[in-house]
Amino acid sequence: EVQLLQSGGGLVQPGGSLRLSCAASGFSFSSYAMTWVRQAPGKGLQWVSIINDSGRRAYYEDSVKGRFTISRDNSNNMLYLQMNSVRVEDTAVYFCAKDITAASPDYYFDSWGQGTLVTVSS
Amino acid sequence: EIVLTQSPATLSLSPGERATFSCRASQSISSSLGWYQQKPGQAPRLLIYDASSRATGVPARFSGSGFGRDFTLTITSLEPEDFAVYYCQQRSTWPLTFGGGTKMEIK
Repeated sequence: EVQLLQSGGGLVQPGGSLRLSCAASGFSFSSYAMTWVRQAPGKGLQWVSIINDSGRRAYYEDSVKGRFTISRDNSNNMLYLQMNSVRVEDTAVYFCAKDITAASPDYYFDSWGQGTLVTVSS
Repeated sequence: EIVLTQSPATLSLSPGERATFSCRASQSISSSLGWYQQKPGQAPRLLIYDASSRATGVPARFSGSGFGRDFTLTITSLEPEDFAVYYCQQRSTWPLTFGGGTKMEIK
């Protein structure tokens, strides 16, 4: 069974940093692209970032480019999102998710973590 | 950036009825569209990808159609567990984008 277990959310001050983690199990982690999607309170879904299976390629939504860094550790089946220079508008539940297809990503996401709340406030 | 506009914002229906959700893209995205279901406090669930392919384990009452700019998700004969928010997502062009969602509530 595919499982994505998230950790690392919490309260952070504007301008601060936080790292989100996503522990994967039940599938061949190193074969799948992985993504982060967020959802502000009461709002819709917003894609944040994606990393390919090897970790060599990543893409970001414009508002987080230069502030957030996605990474992965394939030897330990871990996905990360390093969030620097956070803003109030980064407040959201952050989900990690797995691409539907191995090796050649399709950019649809069929397994999701439980979500972790990040609150940016002074 | 491709903008996805979903309509209606809210759909009020009864169990057993047919539900139709619309998603319109700001430019052509071929068949590069997925649909997700999200229930309160839960992560999204992939229902449909490539406009019309059902994801693993999704019941046959869910179907998708469309090409280019206009897409439809249809649920025939609603079950009580189908009442949720539905989002479309395009993967044609970076950045990946989601529609604003349609909330389906029990009438």
